[in-house]
Amino acid sequence: DGGITQSPKYLFRKEGQNVTLSCEQNLNHDAMYWYRQDPGQGLRLIYYSQIVNDFQKGDIAEGYSVSREKKESFPLTVTSAQKNPTAFYLCASSLGQENTEAFFGQGTRLTVV
Amino acid sequence: EDQVTQSPEALRLQEGESSSLNCSYTVSGLRGLFWYRQDPGKGPEFLFTLYSAGEEKEKERLKATLTKKESFLHITAPKPEDSATYLCAVRSWGKLQFGAGTQVVVTP
Repeated sequence: DGGITQSPKYLFRKEGQNVTLSCEQNLNHDAMYWYRQDPGQGLRLIYYSQIVNDFQKGDIAEGYSVSREKKESFPLTVTSAQKNPTAFYLCASSLGQENTEAFFGQGTRLTVV
Repeated sequence: EDQVTQSPEALRLQEGESSSLNCSYTVSGLRGLFWYRQDPGKGPEFLFTLYSAGEEKEKERLKATLTKKESFLHITAPKPEDSATYLCAVRSWGKLQFGAGTQVVVTP
């Protein structure tokens, strides 16, 4: 089955710890994205990548880091510098940057305890 | 700065009561407008892509239209299973930017 897989579905982190969220796609898409969603709010863009070994900051990149070493994978690290990391994180991919829709994974809910 | 604004924030409908959701946008270099449906605790599900003013797309009870400054999602004779949050997004120079969504509840 082609699609986007995010893992884990639920994640708990202690304050001061870094944590990495996984996102893998087998759609052969060039572009990948990370969004954060808070209750009652829309999706806010954290980072996006157009091609392997290249990525750009979105609107709320502070406290996050990414890598794009393989076309299929775009992991997101939530660092201890992120002041309010508890949120629902969504990964998406699209065929290209222009005129193409993005498809989403099922999300990872991160809770800081 | 690019902006996407959706209204209303929430909409409560009786089954069969048609209505419309609005998505207004200001972007430089529009490269597509997208509608998604999101169920609680799930990732958004793609519905439609619109590229140019005057374009319309339909799927079952949903119809999306586009003008130069806004898009409408019309829900005709909704059923309870149409209850969800509907998200609008615009693509501009690589970024895909979302509105806050409209939460729709359809009661029997």
